Amino acid sequence: GQQLNQSPQSMFIQEGEDVSMNCTSSSIFNTWLWYKQDPGEGPVLLIALYKAGELTSNGRLTAQFGITRKDSFLNISASIPSDVGIYFCAGQLARGATNKLIFGTGTLLAVQP
Amino acid sequence: DTGVSQDPRHKITKRGQNVTFRCDPISEHNRLYWYRQTLGQGPEFLTYFQNEAQLEKSRLLSDRFSAERPKGSFSTLEIQRTEQGDSAMYLCASSPRVMGEAFFGQGTRLTVV
Repeated sequence: GQQLNQSPQSMFIQEGEDVSMNCTSSSIFNTWLWYKQDPGEGPVLLIALYKAGELTSNGRLTAQFGITRKDSFLNISASIPSDVGIYFCAGQLARGATNKLIFGTGTLLAVQP
Repeated sequence: DTGVSQDPRHKITKRGQNVTFRCDPISEHNRLYWYRQTLGQGPEFLTYFQNEAQLEKSRLLSDRFSAERPKGSFSTLEIQRTEQGDSAMYLCASSPRVMGEAFFGQGTRLTVV
């Protein structure tokens, strides 16, 4: 199935460092969502974005909806060990009647105390 | 707990057997999704319900797969004549609106031996 391009694939950082990851698509999206998934669990919604250019924060997390509507990024500031997990972007297409979320390939984040 | 609930959490079955999974969405969420996730990949869309109507199905959903949402509340996903390739995490999500946040359950991990 279709998946979005997400980078980097993995990151290994020290506690306290800032993290940035992004997601790109060849299609235009109406909505961008960012999720975190722990092993054996379902994805947990972190941030939802609805407008091009929108910048939204949730605690130490900040995400932006790209102006072209084809990309989004997620920043995590001052990382802590519990930030460890896989981060997924997901988008909903702007055209057509589909309501499905298309997911990125994921970014594995490891934080060393 | 008012989140999305899935049952069972884990299922091991022999090849050729039928299995059925259940999803209870968040109350008053009229939109319900099923996704499948294999190791190292993001979730892939299977099917989508608005109330009791199944409005979209992925080509991933072979004729061995069937999903229902009677009365627009809980949903079931049945896989007939399971194959080893069906081994995956099956995720259910619900949403209160057409575009926007989708909240996932903890998933059902299926292993076909």
